[in-house]
Amino acid sequence: TQLLEQSPQFLSIQEGENLTVYCNSSSVFSSLQWYRQEPGEGPVLLVTVVTGGEVKKLKRLTFQFGDARKDSSLHITAAQPGDTGLYLCAGGGGSNYKLTFGKGTLLTVNP
Amino acid sequence: GAGVSQSPSNKVTEKGKDVELRCDPISGHTALYWYRQSLGQGLEFLIYFQGNSAPDKSGLPSDRFSAERTGGSVSTLTIQRTQQEDSAVYLCASSRSPGDYGYTFGSGTRLTVV
Repeated sequence: TQLLEQSPQFLSIQEGENLTVYCNSSSVFSSLQWYRQEPGEGPVLLVTVVTGGEVKKLKRLTFQFGDARKDSSLHITAAQPGDTGLYLCAGGGGSNYKLTFGKGTLLTVNP
Repeated sequence: GAGVSQSPSNKVTEKGKDVELRCDPISGHTALYWYRQSLGQGLEFLIYFQGNSAPDKSGLPSDRFSAERTGGSVSTLTIQRTQQEDSAVYLCASSRSPGDYGYTFGSGTRLTVV
């Protein structure tokens, strides 16, 4: 069974601070995705990474896939209250159709 | 439609009753997925459809759970004889094809069994 561990589970910071959340596994994934979920809504895809060592930037968000494709990180620069939400990582296996989700990091950015 | 639509958004039911949850995927998306999200747990895979076929039902928790998809479009997840442990948010997602990176999720149905 493939498992994804996310850390930290909870994170509360002030507006303007930087933060990093982590997604780790002992398994190799062919792709890794990050989603953000707000209360009462479904997860929304932020990015997909597929190549070991790949780095993608989305405005103030930087995503990295580990060289061995077992881990990933999400770094947010100068966090804003609008970044508040549950951040989920999800790994795709060989078939890709079925994703394995981590339990998420609940981020609160205080004004 | 423009997005994945789920109904109802909230459902409160008495223990032992049957419930039906509906998912209307993005038009043209051949792959459809059901996940369950419980408090403190990650998203748990339930079932996957390719067209009207369900090649993978491995995540359905028990034989009280069933799902179907008709016309390659709308899907219904049915839970018979609901139990309190079935209380969760049931999320539906679709993608253009299996292996197409990135799901589009609906807003979910919050099911509460009392």
